[in-house]
Amino acid sequence: AQSVTQLDSQVPVFEEAPVELRCNYSSSVSVYLFWYVQYPNQGLQLLLKYLSGSTLVKGINGFEAEFNKSQTSFHLRKPSVHISDTAEYFCAVRGYGGFKTIFGAGTRLFVKA
Amino acid sequence: DTGVSQNPRHKITKRGQNVTFRCDPISEHNRLYWYRQTLGQGPEFLTYFQNEAQLEKSRLLSDRFSAERPKGSFSTLEIQRTEQGDSAMYLCASSLDPRGLERIEGAGANQPQHFGDGTRLSIL
Repeated sequence: AQSVTQLDSQVPVFEEAPVELRCNYSSSVSVYLFWYVQYPNQGLQLLLKYLSGSTLVKGINGFEAEFNKSQTSFHLRKPSVHISDTAEYFCAVRGYGGFKTIFGAGTRLFVKA
Repeated sequence: DTGVSQNPRHKITKRGQNVTFRCDPISEHNRLYWYRQTLGQGPEFLTYFQNEAQLEKSRLLSDRFSAERPKGSFSTLEIQRTEQGDSAMYLCASSLDPRGLERIEGAGANQPQHFGDGTRLSIL
């Protein structure tokens, strides 16, 4: 079984500042890792995914994430945020051979002018 | 590609009534998933279809819940005798599993899930 912990429920940040949203996971098997974004009253949109290979993954909208196996982390970063990045961000994990995706509780990113 | 479509977007009903939601996946996507999302939480897996076959169900899916995908295209999720605790956003997602790789461990996992905008259920 897998679990996901998003360490911050809310992250306020000023526009054009860098941001990091933290995610830790636990699993007894190898995993695939994902970050999704959800805007109000909408479904989830995939930002990026880690499957294998390079531990630094680049996604849409200027986001990137780094897989750290020893620390079982998959933190999401963006060097300069915009007002439009205000949304809920979900880290998710799926075990090899499984079809069920386990989501964290989410981190609300609030970008201030 | 018109995306995953869910209807209705909002449903308000009295406790004890039955409700049915519909999901139209992206055409040719053979996998379809249902999730439930409550306020302040991430989506929780409910069930999964490969074509018309329901292959996995969560323990969250009590006997009041039933999901179907009769022709391997659209899916319905029905909740009977609704309770206050059923109030949530119900999300549908679909993905394409590469033909011939269904039984290879992990082969389908790298196909991204495309989510609909959900159906928000409110129980009065």
